[in-house]
Amino acid sequence: GAGVSQSPSNKVTEKGKDVELRCDPISGHTALYWYRQSLGQGLEFLIYFQGNSAPDKSGLPSDRFSAERTGGSVSTLTIQRTQQEDSAVYLCASSRGGHDYEQYFGPGTRLTVT
Amino acid sequence: KQEVTQIPAALSVPEGENLVLNCSFTDSAIYNLQWFRQDPGKGLTSLLLIQSSQREQTSGRLNASLDKSSGRSTLYIAASQPGDSATYLCAVRRLSGGTSYGKLTFGQGTILTVHP
Repeated sequence: GAGVSQSPSNKVTEKGKDVELRCDPISGHTALYWYRQSLGQGLEFLIYFQGNSAPDKSGLPSDRFSAERTGGSVSTLTIQRTQQEDSAVYLCASSRGGHDYEQYFGPGTRLTVT
Repeated sequence: KQEVTQIPAALSVPEGENLVLNCSFTDSAIYNLQWFRQDPGKGLTSLLLIQSSQREQTSGRLNASLDKSSGRSTLYIAASQPGDSATYLCAVRRLSGGTSYGKLTFGQGTILTVHP
């Protein structure tokens, strides 16, 4: 079946602009995660959605970052007033739910802020 | 705060060798541990998931072990092949902490090169 998909695959934006990154999880997966991967920091957790529960936003680096998940499926990560340090690969993952299950990752969106 | 360390940072071996990648974590109160591989410019591919109650998991030429009390996991790759060349990442999920259950904490990875 289809895996996790993300769009766009690459995004170049000017400093100060807003960007939206999209994630389509595997059908039927109730849990969805956002991470980012940058050269200096490795892979960092950003936010986690599980069913109808309030999301765990503990990894969001600033209030410029937000995410939503509509209808328990597609998620959008929004970065407002982008800064150069936001340049990274943003990875989305989903799992069947609960903590016993593997997380399956999408190919990522490479964001470059110029 | 959980910290995950992977040793070595890079490894280069000739084809056919058996090899071991190491992962250590500072907080033994984990729910499970997952090994991934990442090819250049690609996302992560899940290799093995070990629950905290398990000692090891096997998939083909891969075997992962977990010693929770000592905070260690190893990934054993038998009869390595050039196609195994990738970055290998381990990640742990915390046992407690309310809503922090979900997130994975990653190591920095081991870059593996298998040359013909």
